[in-house]
Amino acid sequence: EIVLTQSPATLSLSPGERATLSCRASQDIGDYLGWYQHRPGQAPRLLIFDASNRATGIPGRFSGSGSGTHFTLTISSLEPEDFAVYYCQQRRNWLWTFGQGTRLEI
Amino acid sequence: QLHLLESGPVILKTSETLSLTCNVSGVSITSGHFHWGWVRQPPGKGLEWVATLVYNGKRYDNPSLESRVVIPVDTSKNQFSLQLSSVTAADTAIYYCVRVNLLRGVWPDSWGQGVLVTVSS
Repeated sequence: EIVLTQSPATLSLSPGERATLSCRASQDIGDYLGWYQHRPGQAPRLLIFDASNRATGIPGRFSGSGSGTHFTLTISSLEPEDFAVYYCQQRRNWLWTFGQGTRLEI
Repeated sequence: QLHLLESGPVILKTSETLSLTCNVSGVSITSGHFHWGWVRQPPGKGLEWVATLVYNGKRYDNPSLESRVVIPVDTSKNQFSLQLSSVTAADTAIYYCVRVNLLRGVWPDSWGQGVLVTVSS
């Protein structure tokens, strides 16, 4: 099983600041990594796929980078609606796994 | 516009079979452009992949579920289901049905709102 480790567990920032979230894989997963935003009471939303591609309708302030075992999600300037939990997910094989999540709080 | 809606019994007893249905509107579940699947979130925990049904009928399950998963498909109703046998309290979770889009990578790009299933003794 490929284990994804996200850091930090909680990130406290203010609107307008830059957020940098990390996801490390236990083995090389190429660029088979996605990022999701999960707000309370809502369905998770795909933000980034294949490590660096924005999903349909995702604002330009969200960007993804990395390959192999180290990946980063960056939110360039936080909006109030961005405060949520963020998960990374790998699909290097059909046994998909998620990271434990990073809570982005005000 | 694509819409996914989960439904099914929300309270189960230990050892029963969980049975949820995902009604899909806006796209045919027989399309070769999509797979379909389930993800769950236990209370207070993160997301956990359950299973993916590939468009050719092959299924991939989370090994931690120990082969308890079946995903029936009803093409006449454009819906697919999740059956999870021999449930325990550890199966208590919000269950989401998802569409996996092959046209934009192979990622779950559309999710239902989720349904909370509680298992008790």
